[in-house]
Amino acid sequence: DAGVTQSPTHLIKTRGQQVTLRCSPKSGHDTVSWYQQALGQGPQFIFQYYEEEERQRGNFPDRFSGHQFPNYSSELNVNALLLGDSALYLCASSPTTQASLYNEQFFGPGTRLTVL
Amino acid sequence: GNSVTQMEGPVTLSEEAFLTINCTYTATGYPSLFWYVQYPGEGLQLLLKATKADDKGSNKGFEATYRKETTSFHLEKGSVQVSDSAVYFCALSDPNQGGKLIFGQGTELSVKP
Repeated sequence: DAGVTQSPTHLIKTRGQQVTLRCSPKSGHDTVSWYQQALGQGPQFIFQYYEEEERQRGNFPDRFSGHQFPNYSSELNVNALLLGDSALYLCASSPTTQASLYNEQFFGPGTRLTVL
Repeated sequence: GNSVTQMEGPVTLSEEAFLTINCTYTATGYPSLFWYVQYPGEGLQLLLKATKADDKGSNKGFEATYRKETTSFHLEKGSVQVSDSAVYFCALSDPNQGGKLIFGQGTELSVKP
């Protein structure tokens, strides 16, 4: 059973560009969350998708947007990249069951984004 | 709002030493508490969890007890190994606030042979 997968592994962009990161959730999971982890910091919640809709959002600007597809995979889009967007972007998935109320999330390996 | 505070690192120990990493939280409801571990160059792995007061989570020799009276969830291991070297994150999730995890800043552990 494949866990959470993310692509690409690494990405280098320049300021002002746009980027799309991809995530496939663990089998049987229908909820996908995205986190940004700056160097030396804990992950910060960006948003969560369920049934192809954004269910919850953290304190991130509108430059950060996402999408969830019918197969539960998800994309994170960042427009007008800033130097400060350089970080590890983590995708996490969870099932929408009673157990998920306690929010055990499974994380992918992340995409390392560098903005020059 | 909800928050998590961890002891600052890095923590450097000799092999077989006792480990404690302190974690305290602030929450308005009754959160679930987690410890995640991140090995170099990798994503996060769930190490253990506790979903209500006085629960003890345990895994791979690590333990943490959900202490509501002190709002703490300290991570302990009796005898660390070199392979335990990693960054450890304490996190909470409040079921009344949807699905997001709130993380502490992480504590880097380095175990020397």
